[in-house]
Amino acid sequence: DGGITQSPKYLFRKEGQNVTLSCEQNLNHDAMYWYRQDPGQGLRLIYYSQIVNDFQKGDIAEGYSVSREKKESFPLTVTSAQKNPTAFYLCASSRQGPFYNSPLHFGNGTRLTVT
Amino acid sequence: AQSVAQPEDQVNVAEGNPLTVKCTYSVSGNPYLFWYVQYPNRGLQFLLKYITGDNLVKGSYGFEAEFNKSQTSFHLKKPSALVSDSALYFCAVRENYGGATNKLIFGTGTLLAVQP
Repeated sequence: DGGITQSPKYLFRKEGQNVTLSCEQNLNHDAMYWYRQDPGQGLRLIYYSQIVNDFQKGDIAEGYSVSREKKESFPLTVTSAQKNPTAFYLCASSRQGPFYNSPLHFGNGTRLTVT
Repeated sequence: AQSVAQPEDQVNVAEGNPLTVKCTYSVSGNPYLFWYVQYPNRGLQFLLKYITGDNLVKGSYGFEAEFNKSQTSFHLKKPSALVSDSALYFCAVRENYGGATNKLIFGTGTLLAVQP
């Protein structure tokens, strides 16, 4: 079955450490996205990518970095510069993009806890 | 500023009763509107969208939504709720700045609780 795989499901890190969240899709979608979800705040866009080797900052990119070396993969690195990294992180993709009228397909998320 | 609002944090409904989850939006030009559902510790799943055409849009799992341009609303409805419909529902609107990259704006979500 086609879909988006995020790993790991749960991730624990000490403050000051960088951590990379994996996102892989086999839907042959061009556009990929990273969102952060916090209780009561909905989803906020971190980064998005329309094509390989190109990506754009979203609304809350500070303290995060991404790469898009392959169409299937869009890993997110949460750096030590991110002031409040504990959150639920969602990766998504869409057939058309970015943000055209085709719906987003989401992975099942990675819950990151930093202590 | 372009925005989307879900005025209710939680909606409670008895199984078998009709349900409505409200969404209003503010966007220039013609809006693209979406509803997504999220089950606990999972990603969001697409339910339905309005791009153009018929104001009543039918989607997955028996849900439908009505686009009302004069009231700038896109409420999600279902004639008969199921306990399995209990989840977090998000409304989203695509920004419409014309020519620039137009991002999706998500509402803060409405928790639907269906009592047996």
